[in-house]
Amino acid sequence: QKEVEQNSGPLSVPEGAIASLNCTYSDRVSQSFFWYRQYSGKSPELIMSIYSNGDKEDGRFTAQLNKASQYVSLLIRDSQPSDSATYLCAVNLFKLIFGTGTLLAVQP
Amino acid sequence: GAVVSQHPSRVICKSGTSVKIECRSLDFQATTMFWYRQFPKQSLMLMATSNEGSKATYEQGVEKDKFLINHASLTLSTLTVTSAHPEDSSFYICSASAGIAGDLKGNEQFFGPGTRLTVL
Repeated sequence: QKEVEQNSGPLSVPEGAIASLNCTYSDRVSQSFFWYRQYSGKSPELIMSIYSNGDKEDGRFTAQLNKASQYVSLLIRDSQPSDSATYLCAVNLFKLIFGTGTLLAVQP
Repeated sequence: GAVVSQHPSRVICKSGTSVKIECRSLDFQATTMFWYRQFPKQSLMLMATSNEGSKATYEQGVEKDKFLINHASLTLSTLTVTSAHPEDSSFYICSASAGIAGDLKGNEQFFGPGTRLTVL
């Protein structure tokens, strides 16, 4: 089992819709979780960090963490074509462990 | 968010030469810096972790004599690819954190823009 798993996608949503990105992790010791956005040919950009169970909102982004289920998600409200990118889930296990990323395509 | 710069952004070199890549944290002190490599359509692969003033810790399978890392100050780390070969061609990305490597709670990592290395 991979340490951090994400659906590779592509996840296609219409402009203005909610995009839901999911991530599961295998090690219960993990205490900090991150979502990064990576445009093609560019380096990752930190979007959200979350450390406690529940929801954390920042603008159009909401991160959700459920440690009991070992599950992290990212919701993007009012999706825009500029949100089209690969979204990387990362879990801190003494070092960052990245998932392979989910490709999001927002259709105009 | 914090700003990390990387230089050069792109380099093309001949096989057998050495290439140095610089990573700087511009507006915070980076206790820990990380070096990653990313091949096309693959995820990030951690190469090594360095704490300021200490020797870098390399991931399994990464040759420390080929990828020399120096973290001389709290704002600067360098990666030198020695005797580069075509198979070293990749996208090299550094990241910086104000936290301490190995800390489970782990502070956020901020990435530089990356260096695209092409070895002919």
